[in-house]
Amino acid sequence: DSGVTQTPKHLITATGQRVTLRCSPRSGDLSVYWYQQSLDQGLQFLIQYYNGEERAKGNILERFSAQQFPDLHSELNLSSLELGDSALYFCASEGPRATNYGYTFGSGTRLTVV
Amino acid sequence: LAKTTQPISMDSYEGQEVNITCSHNNIATNDYITWYQQFPSQGPRFIIQGYKTKVTNEVASLFIPADRKSSTLSLPRVSLSDTAVYYCLVGDIQGGKLIFGQGTELSVKP
Repeated sequence: DSGVTQTPKHLITATGQRVTLRCSPRSGDLSVYWYQQSLDQGLQFLIQYYNGEERAKGNILERFSAQQFPDLHSELNLSSLELGDSALYFCASEGPRATNYGYTFGSGTRLTVV
Repeated sequence: LAKTTQPISMDSYEGQEVNITCSHNNIATNDYITWYQQFPSQGPRFIIQGYKTKVTNEVASLFIPADRKSSTLSLPRVSLSDTAVYYCLVGDIQGGKLIFGQGTELSVKP
C-alpha cells in the first residue's frame, strides 16, 4: 500500500457518459498529480493541484476537469467519454520540499469505455 | 524540461547486474534525475534520485558523470521480479510535473 488511494479500481461505462475518479493523497502531501496511461501513449501528465489550487496543466482535454478539495483529496471528471479515453488513470502525490523520494503513485483506475 | 533518451528494451538473466543508461543532454542546473519502476497495471514506483556523482540505496545505484548529460541506473543481481519498465526522468525537484518518456522494458530471464 503506497498510501495513495484511488477509487474505483475498475470502471466500465458507455460512450457519451461522464465519470468521476477519486484520489486521496498520502497523509501530509499537498500536491496531487493526474496521469493517463494508454497502450499507445504511455504515461501522459494531465494536471497538478497544490493545496487546492491548479498548479500545472499538461495534455488534458477540455472534456476533462479536476479539482482538489479542502481535505486534499482530488477528483478527475471525464465527460462525453469516447472509446479512446479507455486507459489507466493514475494519481500521484508529492511530499513536502527538501525530501527526495519523488512522487508516490496510487494503484490506478482502469477505465473502459464501450 | 529536459528530454530523456533511453533504450526501449533490454534483456538480462537472473543474478546479473543490469545497467540502464539515460541521456539528458539539455539537463538544467536545478534538475534532479529520478528513476521509476513500473509493473504492468500498477503505478510507477520511485527507485532512486540523484543530482551528481553516485547515489546508492537498498535497491539500486545511480551514477551521474560530472557533466550530468547522462545517468546510469545499476540494478545488482537482478531477479525475475525485476522484470518491469524503468523510466528515467529529469526535472526540478521544486517544480513538480515530472514528464515520463517511453521507458526501458527490462526482461529478466531464468
